[in-house]
Amino acid sequence: DAGITQSPRHKVTETGTPVTLRCHQTENHRYMYWYRQDPGHGLRLIHYSYGVKDTDKGEVSDGYSVSRSKTEDFLLTLESATSSQTSVYFCAISQGIDTQYFGPGTRLTVL
Amino acid sequence: ELKVEQNPLFLSMQEGKNYTIYCNYSTTSDRLYWYRQDPGKSLESLFVLLSNGAVKQEGRLMASLDTKARLSTLHITAAVHDLSATYFCAVGGETSGSRLTFGEGTQLTVNP
Repeated sequence: DAGITQSPRHKVTETGTPVTLRCHQTENHRYMYWYRQDPGHGLRLIHYSYGVKDTDKGEVSDGYSVSRSKTEDFLLTLESATSSQTSVYFCAISQGIDTQYFGPGTRLTVL
Repeated sequence: ELKVEQNPLFLSMQEGKNYTIYCNYSTTSDRLYWYRQDPGKSLESLFVLLSNGAVKQEGRLMASLDTKARLSTLHITAAVHDLSATYFCAVGGETSGSRLTFGEGTQLTVNP
């Protein structure tokens, strides 16, 4: 695996609670991404970052926010978790349009 | 909006047989990627295809790209059980910067 870690790896939470997922990289890649993976949908982009403090929305950004204060860290926040946000979340990194490398994933369950 | 379709979505095949997975996309693209995912695991990069007519091969897998037809294929030769996994294609649109759009994935099962 490229130097990408995600934390936590598993989380169970209740509807309405805030949740923050962390992605940490040691590769000094400029671009970082958050995806969710659900059966029947493949991977869908939530948000991405093209530099420190530079972020933009993906195709399924509603209900999610992100922050990137350092090159190595990209945080995904669910302000008020809903059951529809139960999913597996993957972080990825890249250098521009080069191959994206994926982290190990976080399995989130919202009850 | 870029759309990516893979077919088949499910593929069960016998060891030793050949088969092809197809990836169609809806708008002009300048790059296409193939990934493999084992159950409960992350995605692993297999191939990057950057130009029309590009062909890449690794072991029993060969990927090709036809940008005019907006089609990529992943060909499996003499399948073995270890190839059982889900395969995704991902496409970068010419105006999408570094973003990728993924297909739904093809779940491949190779039976002894």
